[in-house]
Amino acid sequence: AQSVTQLDSQVPVFEEAPVELRCNYSSSVSVYLFWYVQYPNQGLQLLLKYLSGSTLVKGINGFEAEFNKSQTSFHLRKPSVHISDTAEYFCAVSGPRGGGKLIFGQGTELSVKP
Amino acid sequence: DSGVTQTPKHLITATGQRVTLRCSPRSGDLSVYWYQQSLDQGLQFLIQYYNGEERAKGNILERFSAQQFPDLHSELNLSSLELGDSALYFCASSVGTSGYTGELFFGEGSRLTVL
Repeated sequence: AQSVTQLDSQVPVFEEAPVELRCNYSSSVSVYLFWYVQYPNQGLQLLLKYLSGSTLVKGINGFEAEFNKSQTSFHLRKPSVHISDTAEYFCAVSGPRGGGKLIFGQGTELSVKP
Repeated sequence: DSGVTQTPKHLITATGQRVTLRCSPRSGDLSVYWYQQSLDQGLQFLIQYYNGEERAKGNILERFSAQQFPDLHSELNLSSLELGDSALYFCASSVGTSGYTGELFFGEGSRLTVL
């Protein structure tokens, strides 16, 4: 079975500071990895995804993530955050034979302060 | 706008009642997924349909059922409602005719409050 652990439930950070949101996964088969963002009172929106190829993945809004197979991690980073990045961030995993469903972590609330 | 439409956006009902949530997937998407989001359980996968057939089942209670119709819209039926069923229910769609890309497209959710 696949599972996802997001190591921080809340991350407060000042505007223009760098941020890293941590995600570890567990799977006995090869995986696809995703980061989604949920702004208040909205649905989830894809930030970036890793299916194969380069382990450094760039997404929207200046975010990037690195797939590390040996550490089973997929941490999300941004070098300089903005107030508008305040949201809930979800790491998710699926597999080639998973039928497409995603298994989500518990979420990390990113709070950017001026 | 993801292209996934969910109705109603908000629903308030009483314990013991039954409700139906509706989802229209993105044009061309064949798969529909239902998720439940609550404070204590997070985002839980409930069930997936692909082109009218059930494809995968997650943590869906027996009181809940879903179906996908020939026009590909889907409905999630919740019955004998309990206070603990209060949550945000998301529908997502994927797998267009161009094939699997890994991405799910989410609607804005239906917020259910059971009093």
